[in-house]
Amino acid sequence: NAGVTQTPKFQVLKTGQSMTLQCAQDMNHEYMSWYRQDPGMGLRLIHYSVGAGITDQGEVPNGYNVSRSTTEDFPLRLLSAAPSQTSVYFCASLGQGHQSSYEQYFGPGTRLTVT
Amino acid sequence: KNEVEQSPQNLTAQEGEFITINCSYSVGISALHWLQQHPGGGIVSLFMLSSGKKKHGRLIATINIQEKHSSLHITASHPRDSAVYICAVRSNAGNNRKLIWGLGTSLAVNP
Repeated sequence: NAGVTQTPKFQVLKTGQSMTLQCAQDMNHEYMSWYRQDPGMGLRLIHYSVGAGITDQGEVPNGYNVSRSTTEDFPLRLLSAAPSQTSVYFCASLGQGHQSSYEQYFGPGTRLTVT
Repeated sequence: KNEVEQSPQNLTAQEGEFITINCSYSVGISALHWLQQHPGGGIVSLFMLSSGKKKHGRLIATINIQEKHSSLHITASHPRDSAVYICAVRSNAGNNRKLIWGLGTSLAVNP
């Protein structure tokens, strides 16, 4: 299994540009989520999905859209990038791990800079 | 005040030392996670606990549900253990797949 994959790893945007961060998992996990990580603030939930066709807002959803057309893919769209969206973005899925209990699996992260 | 508090915020140890990182929370939970974030940014899930104690190699995690407290111990620490250790709890209210995150403990193990 490739686990959770994210692309791109690095991105620089100008204010007002839009882009999509890609996330995919091959573990057939129903639950997927997007977080942003900023210094001194820990991980904050942006959006999450409990299955194909179902998405919901997290703590900091403004400025972001998501869709979940398949179990595997959960892209995050920035509609009009702002400097406040400069952050590291992590995609994660939740499923049963090797200890037969639920574990969170993270992608490698996308470092986004908005100028 | 954060619903999940970790201590210490930063920790420096000498190789071989026994390390303890603490996590206290103020909400009812169905599970608690310990994760490790490497200096390169990748995040790895270490443990998920709902009661008692789990051990994996040199890592031991314990949880006391009554006291709303968990500890992560590292025995015979090594420089490769240097990372940020993050505690997260899954609230048992509402959608219990949302996680509430601590701010992390930054560990540096010197040779």
